[in-house]
Amino acid sequence: AQTVTQSQPEMSVQEAETVTLSCTYDTSESDYYLFWYKQPPSRQMILVIRQEAYKQQNATENRFSVNFQKAAKSFSLKISDSQLGDAAMYFCAYRGSGGSNYKLTFGKGTLLTVNP
Amino acid sequence: GAVVSQHPSWVICKSGTSVKIECRSLDFQATTMFWYRQFPKQSLMLMATSNEGSKATYEQGVEKDKFLINHASLTLSTLTVTSAHPEDSSFYICSARHLETGENNEQYFGPGTRLTVT
Repeated sequence: AQTVTQSQPEMSVQEAETVTLSCTYDTSESDYYLFWYKQPPSRQMILVIRQEAYKQQNATENRFSVNFQKAAKSFSLKISDSQLGDAAMYFCAYRGSGGSNYKLTFGKGTLLTVNP
Repeated sequence: GAVVSQHPSWVICKSGTSVKIECRSLDFQATTMFWYRQFPKQSLMLMATSNEGSKATYEQGVEKDKFLINHASLTLSTLTVTSAHPEDSSFYICSARHLETGENNEQYFGPGTRLTVT
């Protein structure tokens, strides 16, 4: 079974600074998808960024970027120019590919605090 | 686009009663819907996967007779918690997979339902 590990239960960053959230995963599959989701206090899950394993190029979405290291099974999220609205719980998630395997496996989450 | 709603957003019920939670895809058809449970300050745990017109597939450890899932149409799935007990109090979240976007599709999440059993 696939597992997703987020080793940082809590992180804090100063407004306008950069922070990196860590995520590692374990899988025997060669093709899969990785995601970072944000869950603010409203508890609505928001997709931040996604990465297809077959793509070597790291995904970026405005201030959010990932460092995807397939061999190391590492998928970290970098948030640049942090804003107060970035404060939330962040979940790393894994999804296999093909067939009916569209289930998401989530890590335990990292609570990000942004200090003004 | 790709909006998923849940109803109710918060429900309080007495122990021993049943409660139904609805998950609707408002502007797309969802071939597959997923139900998650989230305890305070914890991660999302998948409970079951439901495909329209077929029986739900439950994750290991989830009681299918207690958590009844029906996916009668491509826009609606329901989760019924039967004979609810205080330990069933939790935050229940659904997500829906878009029918037409193929392999590269996303799961779109509902806003969640807070269940409190007294």
